Formats: sequence, structure tokens, C-alpha cells
Amino acid sequence: DSGVTQTPKHLITATGQRVTLRCSPRSGDLSVYWYQQSLDQGLQFLIQYYNGEERAKGNILERFSAQQFPDLHSELNLSSLELGDSALYFCASSATGGANQPQHFGDGTRLSIL
Amino acid sequence: AQSVAQPEDQVNVAEGNPLTVKCTYSVSGNPYLFWYVQYPNRGLQFLLKYITGDNLVKGSYGFEAEFNKSQTSFHLKKPSALVSDSALYFCAVEDSGAGSYQLTFGKGTKLSVIP
Repeated sequence: DSGVTQTPKHLITATGQRVTLRCSPRSGDLSVYWYQQSLDQGLQFLIQYYNGEERAKGNILERFSAQQFPDLHSELNLSSLELGDSALYFCASSATGGANQPQHFGDGTRLSIL
Repeated sequence: AQSVAQPEDQVNVAEGNPLTVKCTYSVSGNPYLFWYVQYPNRGLQFLLKYITGDNLVKGSYGFEAEFNKSQTSFHLKKPSALVSDSALYFCAVEDSGAGSYQLTFGKGTKLSVIP
């Protein structure tokens, strides 16, 4: 058990809808990362937060947004959903977000767009 | 830009035999290198990392990896494979000098250990 909790585990919705994915980091970790995993694109970094502030942004679409709250949990909001957004979304956390620290991953949210 | 390549989509090895999963990387500065493992329906699990120092890094579950700067490689190895090692393995790199705070992952290599 990594200590990172993601909810929900599965989400099924329709095109055009909006969903929110939630992540609770490992106790004591200040940095949260979001990734998208799909068969064709592999594992893609989306965005990183450190102690409530955005630190790094990767291949995140404008339709997607995230935030980290004062209690350090994070939410990833996906809007105007398209079929291609179907993927496994992972949250990871690390102590301070430093480059040399391992990241601890949750078990993901599987998003299916119908 | 940083990148990582895992040239083999799949590696098959007999139980008890040594295994190697290959990884090469490209960064402009010095690399931070990681190996992660993913079991079905689970998140990635950290195995080991190279930051600096000894080129041979030991990690969890008997895995080790050798950093080779001249060949820009960081191959994952284990002396004796177990059936339970069957999983998807990811190599990842971050450029220590880029200040990007981004890990770039390879496409993954599926390891199958045959009893």
C-alpha cells in the first residue's frame, strides 16, 4: 500500500460531461503529481503541485485543471469530455517534490467515456 | 528535452534465469534515473533510483540497475527471476539541471517469467 488514495476507482460518463478526480497524498508528502496512462500515449505527466502551488505543467489540456487544497489533497477536473479522454489517471506524491525523490502512486481512477 | 527509451515491448525469461530490462536515456545535464513496476490494476511502485555515486544501484525485491554514462543506459537486472516478477516495468528520467520537476517515463516493458 503506497499510502496514496484516489477516488473514485472507476468512473463512467458521457462525452461533453465534467468529472472530478480526487487524490489524498501520503501522510507528510507536500507534493502531488497527476498522470494520464493510455495504451497509445503511455504514461504522460500532466501537472505537479507543491504545498498548494502549481510547480510544473506537462501535457495537460486546457479542458483539464487541477488544484491542491490547504489540507494537501488534490483534485483533477476534466471538462467537455471526449472519447479520447478515456484513460487511467494516476496521482502520485512525494515528500517535497524534489527531482531526486521517488514518487508514490495511487491505484488510479479508470475513466471511461461512452 | 529529456527522453527515455525502452527498446523491448516484451521480455520473456524462464524462472530462475537472470533477467535484464533495457533502458536508454537522453538529457542535456546529469540524469536522475528511476525504475518502477506496475502490476495489473495497480499504480506504479518504486523499485530503485540512481542519483549519483556508485553505478550499481540495488533496489527492492532483489532488483538492481547499472548506470552507464558512456552508453546512456540504465538497465534493470535480477540474478534469478521469479514468476511473481511478471509485470510491466517503467524506466524514468529527469534532467537534474533543467529544473523541470518532470519525470519522463518510457513506454514500458512487459516482463513475463515462465515457470
